[in-house]
Amino acid sequence: QVQLQESGPGLVKPSGTLSLTCAVSGGSISSSNWWNWVRQPPGKGLEWIGEIYHSGSTNYNPSLKSRVTISIDKSKNQFSLKLNSVTAADTAVYYCARDAVRYWFDPWGQGTLVTVSS
Amino acid sequence: QSALTQPASVSGSPGQSITISCTGTSSDVGGYTYVSWYQQYPGKAPKVLIYDVTKRPSGVSNRFSGSKSGNTASLTISGLQAEDEADYYCCSYAGSSIVVFGGGTKLTVL
Repeated sequence: QVQLQESGPGLVKPSGTLSLTCAVSGGSISSSNWWNWVRQPPGKGLEWIGEIYHSGSTNYNPSLKSRVTISIDKSKNQFSLKLNSVTAADTAVYYCARDAVRYWFDPWGQGTLVTVSS
Repeated sequence: QSALTQPASVSGSPGQSITISCTGTSSDVGGYTYVSWYQQYPGKAPKVLIYDVTKRPSGVSNRFSGSKSGNTASLTISGLQAEDEADYYCCSYAGSSIVVFGGGTKLTVL
């Protein structure tokens, strides 16, 4: 079955760029699914960041759109998240997830904690 | 888009049934049949319980059920068990290719 695994730096400096990658195994990233990023600040709820299709089409949360870029690398079967101009408010566990059919997420990666601090 | 509104906490005794509400607007919950529910244990990734308002993925217990009335969706857990103690999140399509989550509800099994 499809599995997702996030990777990337766990510490990012304020005003810097957060960069994460989600590796997809057990299936093709070129399947008829959208691939998503969701984050969760410590002790708080889930926030949808955005999604990408294998064609390169993207959709973003309007509240983050000006700072977010999601890209896809079909040769490596992975997709990535870049969030620029980060502040402490961007400290969160970042999850990647597959949109299973449309607008529900399964499976999820295990999540990776990114802390924004100097 | 504002987060969907969920009660911060609910509780129930083993064997009882509980319902968690998720209130949105006609632009999200009320306007589409794309409501999903997730269960999350501390330190773990969310797991889908319900999608398309009422459907259960394969492998999810039939003790979990979903419904919707107007702008409010609900998750009902029947025959409450100790293992159901977790956080629960609703999620809805909000139009324009945007998704919004609820604030989350902590379920305590007494």
